[in-house]
Amino acid sequence: NAGVTQTPKFRILKIGQSMTLQCTQDMNHNYMYWYRQDPGMGLKLIYYSVGAGITDKGEVPNGYNVSRSTTEDFPLRLELAAPSQTSVYFCASSPRVGGAGGYNEQFFGPGTRLTVL
Amino acid sequence: AQKITQTQPGMFVQEKEAVTLDCTYDTSDPSYGLFWYKQPSSGEMIFLIYQGSYDQQNATEGRYSLNFQKARKSANLVISASQLGDSAMYFCARREGRGGNDYKLSFGAGTTVTVRA
Repeated sequence: NAGVTQTPKFRILKIGQSMTLQCTQDMNHNYMYWYRQDPGMGLKLIYYSVGAGITDKGEVPNGYNVSRSTTEDFPLRLELAAPSQTSVYFCASSPRVGGAGGYNEQFFGPGTRLTVL
Repeated sequence: AQKITQTQPGMFVQEKEAVTLDCTYDTSDPSYGLFWYKQPSSGEMIFLIYQGSYDQQNATEGRYSLNFQKARKSANLVISASQLGDSAMYFCARREGRGGNDYKLSFGAGTTVTVRA
């Protein structure tokens, strides 16, 4: 059981280039999330998905796109990389828990460190 | 996104002593959850403890306990008997969403804890 895996671990992009950050989970979780963490800061939600075929914007979606064609995979696409997108990107997943107030831990991947020059 | 405030950017604690990390949050939702995550220098996010808004007792998990004061909207983390391996960044997070819809997390800016021998 690998949990949440992310590739690549590190990447350097030039301004204007595109790339896809891969995220896969093998826990059959319904919910998946993408966060970014700027230096010395907390995580900010970029996009999330509550199931295959369903995605929605988080707090900082501009410059990114996502898709969720399967339960396992939730790739994050950067179309025109900008220096402001230099950050560490975390993918996370969590199971569906019924009822209000339910305990719903998010499991995080190891992160992708992206630098845009 | 509703705000999570961690007022202590950095703290030093002597080995074997206890340390309290502050966290306050905004909310207009009666049903919510509070999480604490640890991020060591290696970068991964490690779940520590959870408190539900309807839980009658403060959460405990080994050396971690949560001082939950609902009326004051605070959820302070207490680490007892600090160890050198506790040196890390600690994040408070609040689960948004109305249970059964989604479980987005909003994170505070974090507190860096350094344990001294």
